[in-house]
Amino acid sequence: VIWMTQSPSLLSASTGDRVTISCRMSQGISSYLAWYQQKPGKAPELLIYAASTLQSGVPSRFSGSGSGTDFTLTISCLQSEDFATYYCQQYYSFPPTFGQGTRLEIK
Amino acid sequence: QVQLVESGGGVVQPGGSLRLSCAASGFTFSSYGMHWVRQAPGKGLEWVAFIRYDGSNKYYADSVKGRFTISRDNSKNTLYLQMNSLRAEDTAVYYCAKVLVEYGLDAFDIWGQGTMVTVSS
Repeated sequence: VIWMTQSPSLLSASTGDRVTISCRMSQGISSYLAWYQQKPGKAPELLIYAASTLQSGVPSRFSGSGSGTDFTLTISCLQSEDFATYYCQQYYSFPPTFGQGTRLEIK
Repeated sequence: QVQLVESGGGVVQPGGSLRLSCAASGFTFSSYGMHWVRQAPGKGLEWVAFIRYDGSNKYYADSVKGRFTISRDNSKNTLYLQMNSLRAEDTAVYYCAKVLVEYGLDAFDIWGQGTMVTVSS
């Protein structure tokens, strides 16, 4: 099993801020990493796959980077609709695993 | 449009059974692998099971292996999750999710709205 450490678990920020969320793997996964956004009461939505490829329809203020064991999700200029919970996920091997989640709240 | 709609959730006693369904539309269901993912109340996402596009391979989380069975009917564009010997810790919202690419393994690009399963006496 590939273990993931996602940090921070809680992030307080203001509209317009630039924020970064990290995800570290227990072993290398090349670029087989995705990021999801989940709002309360809703299903997760895919933001980024292959570590840095933006899913169709996702605003360009979202970006992903990294490979191997260390990955980052950056939101360049927070909008009100970005306050949500974010999860990283590896799909390099079974079982696919998710990070613990980062709740992004309004400061 | 591409859509997944789960059904079959409800309240069941410990040790009981339930079958979830996930109806797919708007894409060629038979070309894509499918997953079940669950989320316990207030908790994070937990992968449950995967089935290849043609049903030839299935994978399960250790927490459900031997109790849950994933299957699909490509003629009906429907994914299933048969859940037996249910435990309180199986209480969660269950989501079905589609793999991004045809015939392969990748991120989960489309998710259903989820169906709630509550295991309680």
